[in-house]
Amino acid sequence: DAGVTQSPTHLIKTRGQHVTLRCSPISGHKSVSWYQQVLGQGPQFIFQYYEKEERGRGNFPDRFSARQFPNYSSELNVNALLLGDSALYLCASSLEAEAFFGQGTRLTVV
Amino acid sequence: GQNIDQPTEMTATEGAIVQINCTYQTSGFNGLFWYQQHAGEAPTFLSYNVLDGLEEKGRFSSFLSRSKGYSYLLLKELQMKDSASYLCAVNPGITGGGNKLTFGTGTQLKVEL
Repeated sequence: DAGVTQSPTHLIKTRGQHVTLRCSPISGHKSVSWYQQVLGQGPQFIFQYYEKEERGRGNFPDRFSARQFPNYSSELNVNALLLGDSALYLCASSLEAEAFFGQGTRLTVV
Repeated sequence: GQNIDQPTEMTATEGAIVQINCTYQTSGFNGLFWYQQHAGEAPTFLSYNVLDGLEEKGRFSSFLSRSKGYSYLLLKELQMKDSASYLCAVNPGITGGGNKLTFGTGTQLKVEL
């Protein structure tokens, strides 16, 4: 069985650009969450989606948005990129208590 | 607010036992998780505690005391491959689901010969 898959694995963007990150959850998992992890820190919660509805939002600016599709895959969008948005972006899917993480997308903003 | 504290770094010897502590103060509690994360990789699930007590899974055990806001991860028979960051995370949500986790900063464990 495939685990959580994220694309792309690495990305370099320029300040001011926008980016779209994609996540496919484990088959049967209806909940997807997004996290941002900067170097040396633990992941920070950005969004949670369940059955295509936003169920939670972390302390991130409105430049960050997300959505979940009917097949439960998800996109994270970030507009007007800042240097500080450089991080590992993790997607996690869950059925019950345990959250399974994808390999992440390493975003570098230059 | 949410606050999770764990030591920044620990060093231990191969074959030994190490205990990584985690204290938390969150607005709600619906389970505590431990994840292992090797450099440049995604976190991998180690354990989940929602009730007080000890959960054992092979070389790894995790303990929870909800009244004290305290957990620890115990690693036995340490191996070099156990060198990694260990993340303590709490689900403060009122419903189940490990998907709104609040993480600590992680404890970087170095296993030496």
